[in-house]
Amino acid sequence: EPEVTQTPSHQVTQMGQEVILRCVPISNHLYFYWYRQILGQKVEFLVSFYNNEISEKSEIFDDQFSVERPDGSNFTLKIRSTKLEDSAMYFCARGLSHYEQYFGPGTRLTVT
Amino acid sequence: EDQVTQSPEALRLQEGESSSLNCSYTVSGLRGLFWYRQDPGKGPEFLFTLYSAGEEKEKERLKATLTKKESFLHITAPKPEDSATYLCAVQAGAGGSYIPTFGRGTSLIVHP
Repeated sequence: EPEVTQTPSHQVTQMGQEVILRCVPISNHLYFYWYRQILGQKVEFLVSFYNNEISEKSEIFDDQFSVERPDGSNFTLKIRSTKLEDSAMYFCARGLSHYEQYFGPGTRLTVT
Repeated sequence: EDQVTQSPEALRLQEGESSSLNCSYTVSGLRGLFWYRQDPGKGPEFLFTLYSAGEEKEKERLKATLTKKESFLHITAPKPEDSATYLCAVQAGAGGSYIPTFGRGTSLIVHP
């Protein structure tokens, strides 16, 4: 079964700090995604990434967020100047198409 | 205004007691409807994608069906290991977007 690894599994940061969440897709899938899930809430789409470019982003994905594939393998989500409300599980997903996405185990971000 | 509504919110079954979970949607131009399984503290696990009314897909004890307004996830003779939260998500075709909208999920507990 397709796998995605995410690091770290848990990140604690202080409000106003920058965090980088990492995703390592273990295959040559073309599409990459970031989602978040606030505790007890729905899974929410943040951004999709295809061919080294953002293809779509939600209203949540404002100037505070950025994504990149710095070395052609790792896929990162950067959150600048974190806020308390950024505390959530962040999931990376990948797929060969938009119609079949495989999620990673997630990074729990706690902003204090 | 929710575009995706899942019911019931929680369901308790005895092992072997078959039942169905519902996902109703109000989007127009459905591209795809997705079912995921999510265990506590883990990422969603892809189960099925349905594209058009009348379509059915099966995997082990799970069978997903789709109409123009809703989808059902039928669980036949469930086992305790089927206990999880089941998520539904839809992609609407408006404006060429592939952004999925998730429901809140149905929490299923199967007692031995």
